[in-house]
Amino acid sequence: DTGVSQNPRHKITKRGQNVTFRCDPISEHNRLYWYRQTLGQGPEFLTYFQNEAQLEKSRLLSDRFSAERPKGSFSTLEIQRTEQGDSAMYLCASSHGTQEANYGYTFGSGTRLTVV
Amino acid sequence: GQNIDQPTEMTATEGAIVQINCTYQTSGFNGLFWYQQHAGEAPTFLSYNVLDGLEEKGRFSSFLSRSKGYSYLLLKELQMKDSASYLCAVSLSYNTDKLIFGTGTRLQVFP
Repeated sequence: DTGVSQNPRHKITKRGQNVTFRCDPISEHNRLYWYRQTLGQGPEFLTYFQNEAQLEKSRLLSDRFSAERPKGSFSTLEIQRTEQGDSAMYLCASSHGTQEANYGYTFGSGTRLTVV
Repeated sequence: GQNIDQPTEMTATEGAIVQINCTYQTSGFNGLFWYQQHAGEAPTFLSYNVLDGLEEKGRFSSFLSRSKGYSYLLLKELQMKDSASYLCAVSLSYNTDKLIFGTGTRLQVFP
């Protein structure tokens, strides 16, 4: 198992363009999370999945953001009509999702988005 | 709302001991996590406390007082590689692993 994988590592896009990020979690983890982190801040929760079901979405996740996890495996996060304020590190994490295995998340290396 | 406070920056000397405090006021509580994050990298899990008291893991220990809404991370025998940001995060409920993170404490270790 190679951990949580995120692609791409870096993305530069022009304002108004759409972008899509991918996250491949640890295979036996059934929960998957998306967080956003800006410089000097802690990660902010965006959304999470239990298997293929999206169970919670933050108010931060405007209509321009959508996340999917088809078949409960990898997940994608799409941002439509990007704005400069969307520039951030987008972190994906996965976990067992059971109280007995509460060893914290395993985070991916993140996708750094720069909107110019 | 949810509120998690940590000092913004701390400095320490190689070989010393440093304590990073975290106070929280949240709508629920199901455990407190500490993560380490080196610049430009993903956070990595350090510790988890759900009951009051001290959890020790090698050079790192974490303490929790639920009645005071307070935790600290203690780093002993500091090494240069410990220079990083340390994130305090609270799990709000049993039903979700969603975490609320503090802004992080940037620790610089000097020789």
